[in-house]
This record gives sequence, C-alpha cells and structure tokens, in this order.
Amino acid sequence: GAVVSQHPSWVICKSGTSVKIECRSLDFQATTMFWYRQFPKQSLMLMATSNEGSKATYEQGVEKDKFLINHASLTLSTLTVTSAHPEDSSFYICSALGGTDTQYFGPGTRLTVL
Amino acid sequence: AQSVTQLGSHVSVSEGALVLLRCNYSSSVPPYLFWYVQYPNQGLQLLLKYTTGATLVKGINGFEAEFKKSETSFHLTKPSAHMSDAAEYFCAVIHSGGYQKVTFGTGTKLQVIP
Repeated sequence: GAVVSQHPSWVICKSGTSVKIECRSLDFQATTMFWYRQFPKQSLMLMATSNEGSKATYEQGVEKDKFLINHASLTLSTLTVTSAHPEDSSFYICSALGGTDTQYFGPGTRLTVL
Repeated sequence: AQSVTQLGSHVSVSEGALVLLRCNYSSSVPPYLFWYVQYPNQGLQLLLKYTTGATLVKGINGFEAEFKKSETSFHLTKPSAHMSDAAEYFCAVIHSGGYQKVTFGTGTKLQVIP
C-alpha cells in the first residue's frame, strides 16, 4: 500500500519550453501533496505544499509563476516548470500525505534542460 | 522552529558490522520522527517512524531507531550491515501538532565494504 508514482521519470527539454510532471497516489487519496527539489548530493528542499482544490503554498524563494502546481483531484498533483532554463535542471520528487503524519514519496523525475 | 542534524555525511562500515547513523533534532513541541532511505536516482522510502508510544521503533530491512527525549536523538541502527544497505539515509521531523511540513536532515551516505 501507499504507492506514489511520478511521470515521467526522466525528461530532457530545450531551454524555453515547459515541462509537466505528474504525481499520483495509486492506492490512497491524498488531500495534501508536496513537491521537493533535490540537487546532487544534497537533501530535499521543499518547494511547495499542494492541497486538493485550493492554491498551493509556496516556500520562500520559490517562484510560483515559474513552478505551477495544480492539485485537481485527490490522487493527482502536477508540477509544471514553465520556460525552463538549464538552472532548473534537477531531481524533482513529490510526496503524498497518507493519514495525518506520514509522507510517501514518488520515485522522482530527473529534469535536464539543454 | 524545528531542525534536524545528522552527524557524518558519510559513514563506512564493513559487511556484517553494526550500522549506526546519528540524528539529533530540535523541536518546541513533541516531534514525529522519521527515517527514510534513498537509493541512487530514486525517491525516498520510509524505513520507520516514531509518533507516540514505544520509544524503540522497528522498521523494514532490519533497521530500528530509538527515540530518546533527554538526548533529543533518534539514531538509526542495524546489527549487521548488508551490501544492499548502501544508500543515502535521511532523518526527518514534523510537529505533532497537525502541520505536516517535514524538515529533513542533510543526509548520511552509507557505504558497506565487503
């Protein structure tokens, strides 16, 4: 139980294009999902908290117009990196809140912007 | 504010030896504590968690951790290391007050020497 998937697992795009990453909770409903970014050999940095049916809450320093988050259903949240640039290349990981205290993580999406 | 400190960014042990990964936390309210494992290019997998009750928590893959309030610690141990334990380990904390935002430690990379 408590499986979270991400799609795609790996994406390469040209600078200036937009990329959408999906995060799905497969066997449970998640009113709250989280999006993280992880740089090489570093810990996870929380980007935003995504709540179903409402606007996401972004962490300080994260551009909400660049990283668009939509949580349209209890099993799906999407992160769109708009007008991607090479500095946006990173490993993006989502998690879904199961119950009240445990986050279950997706396998991550490796984004490379050329 | 809550924070997590993981002592030692790299730990090396011989196969069959004891694994000890250290985690200390600070929190103004009773914490919920977690250990996650991350294999290369993958998301995080929950190893174990402490919320309330028994302070010695057993997790998957033979790992366990003990919550010591007096020492503000939640160290992760395994009696006998296996080659498959080589990975990055993250300690994390959330408030018990209902807000699910997670604070991660910087991670400890475990190397198992044959």
